[in-house]
Amino acid sequence: SQKIEQNSEALNIQEGKTATLTCNYTNYSPAYLQWYRQDPGRGPVFLLLIRENEKEKRKERLKVTFDTTLKQSLFHITASQPADSATYLCALDIGSGGSYIPTFGRGTSLIVHP
Amino acid sequence: NAGVMQNPRHLVRRRGQEARLRCSPMKGHSHVYWYRQLPEEGLKFMVYLQKENIIDESGMPKERFSAEFPKEGPSILRIQQVVRGDSAAYFCASSLAPPLGGDEQYFGPGTRLTVT
Repeated sequence: SQKIEQNSEALNIQEGKTATLTCNYTNYSPAYLQWYRQDPGRGPVFLLLIRENEKEKRKERLKVTFDTTLKQSLFHITASQPADSATYLCALDIGSGGSYIPTFGRGTSLIVHP
Repeated sequence: NAGVMQNPRHLVRRRGQEARLRCSPMKGHSHVYWYRQLPEEGLKFMVYLQKENIIDESGMPKERFSAEFPKEGPSILRIQQVVRGDSAAYFCASSLAPPLGGDEQYFGPGTRLTVT
């Protein structure tokens, strides 16, 4: 069965450093991969989309890579700030029922210390 | 644009009662999705609807759960005869285009259902 894996342990880093989060998947070839941010008690907020034919995407301090051979996406936040502390979710179009609905990983909690 | 609206934000029901969760998508969006999130777990897809049609309900339990998105008015997720295991946060999302293109989903703030 298809599986999406994100590190369940929280990532603790110092302000100003680069945070790198990992999303691995198995048994599937997604057409796209998305990253979302979720704060406690709130709904997820879309950050970036990367398609299968793209290796890298950037948006301000964010960078996403997509390696379809390794079946892995890396999500980087450069010059991290305490305000970046949140849970980050990756989602793939594993497409439950064949309609390409994004399927979410459990997320990784990022804590940026001042 | 007010964004995706969900109400109520918190809902408490006794076992056996019915729960009705409402979702108004962003203006102009005709694609609506419902997800359930349990503590320490990821978002689990339940159902995808377009106006007056259920497109994909592969994530929704066959019994007690139903969803609709009428021509007029909000989308409704209905849970009949609730049990303690239904306690969770239920999120609604909407998108402008179908999910095939990977267009972003806009999420509402969620409804936190507690079954006592």
